[in-house]
Amino acid sequence: GNSVTQMEGPVTLSEEAFLTINCTYTATGYPSLFWYVQYPGEGLQLLLKATKADDKGSNKGFEATYRKETTSFHLEKGSVQVSDSAVYFCALSDVNTGNQFYFGTGTSLTVIP
Amino acid sequence: EAGVTQSPTHLIKTRGQQATLRCSPISGHTSVYWYQQALGLGLQFLLWYDEGEERNRGNFPPRFSGRQFPNYSSELNVNALELEDSALYLCASSLDSGGHEDTQYFGPGTRLTVL
Repeated sequence: GNSVTQMEGPVTLSEEAFLTINCTYTATGYPSLFWYVQYPGEGLQLLLKATKADDKGSNKGFEATYRKETTSFHLEKGSVQVSDSAVYFCALSDVNTGNQFYFGTGTSLTVIP
Repeated sequence: EAGVTQSPTHLIKTRGQQATLRCSPISGHTSVYWYQQALGLGLQFLLWYDEGEERNRGNFPPRFSGRQFPNYSSELNVNALELEDSALYLCASSLDSGGHEDTQYFGPGTRLTVL
């Protein structure tokens, strides 16, 4: 079946530190991969996505590369800001299961000045 | 362009009651999805509606049901509420159901508290 596993948090970093949030997946077909972000008190917002192997999604300084060989989609940012404090969710959608999204459990990030 | 809207923002019910949550998708989007975000459990897929029909449902009991109206808005109904139904319920919409790459856009959620 389909599933997403992401690193457990919470993660606390100092401003300007390098961020990596690991995400691996299991899928029966050829999934599309997504990172969503949830700021405090808000709904989920799409951060970036990649639809095929070796694609790199990027937005707001965040990047993630679709690695089929390692079934991974790790999120990275070179220099985090206090405003990046949020919960980050990795997700996949698989054509074999229609439009159902599978989400990881979320990783809480706190960036301190 | 208006995003996905949900109402009410907060809902407080007691055990055994029924709750009705509403969602309006982005204009032009025909697919609506419902998720439950319970504390410590991440997002769990509940239901998917497209063109007025239920296309898929997650592993939830039948007391979780819903519908999609001709204008593509949707309702989620939860009958016989239990304490563990307390959660944030998120609605998402996407452009169409034709491809698995369709990005889902989320509303702000309805916080349901069951006392």
